[in-house]
Amino acid sequence: EAGVVQSPRYKIIEKKQPVAFWCNPISGHNTLYWYRQNLGQGPELLIRYENEEAVDDSQLPKDRFSAERLKGVDSTLKIQPAELGDSAVYLCASSLDALWRTQYFGPGTRLLVL
Amino acid sequence: GQQLNQSPQSMFIQEGEDVSMNCTSSSIFNTWLWYKQDPGEGPVLLIALYKAGELTSNGRLTAQFGITRKDSFLNISASIPSDVGIYFCAGLEYGNKLVFGAGTILRVKS
Repeated sequence: EAGVVQSPRYKIIEKKQPVAFWCNPISGHNTLYWYRQNLGQGPELLIRYENEEAVDDSQLPKDRFSAERLKGVDSTLKIQPAELGDSAVYLCASSLDALWRTQYFGPGTRLLVL
Repeated sequence: GQQLNQSPQSMFIQEGEDVSMNCTSSSIFNTWLWYKQDPGEGPVLLIALYKAGELTSNGRLTAQFGITRKDSFLNISASIPSDVGIYFCAGLEYGNKLVFGAGTILRVKS
């Protein structure tokens, strides 16, 4: 069974540029999560989807970040415009339901903003 | 957001030694989770704990849910080179919000 797929794996951009990350969850998983992991820190939840509905986006900086999961399957996280402090690893995870212990993480997208 | 206090920050041990790390919080959690993250990969769940006082093993790993619900520890017995990585604790707050510690970096000398 394929795991959570993320692309790109690495991205280098200049500040003020837009950037987008894509995630394809494990087949059949209806809950999808986006996390940000800063260097030397644990992941922090940005947004959680149940099917196509964003049920927790309280930690998403909505002035520059947006996310969508239009058909309840794959998802895109966008930053526009990017700032230097956005450099981090962006992790996507999915689970069969809202039971946190069944979360499976993707390999992440490492973003560097210059 | 709130972070858990995880210690030690890093460990450099001899192969075969036992390892102990812990996590504390000012908040009560109803679930504690321990993850391992290898370079360039996402975290992988090692052990999940659901009740205060619970002691759970997974091979050479043993974790306990503190009776105050504000702490947890992870032990690794007889460490081997493939145990190298970053270990994270995570607590599930009421309201289903998962909070991670900053991680313990484990290095093993063979």
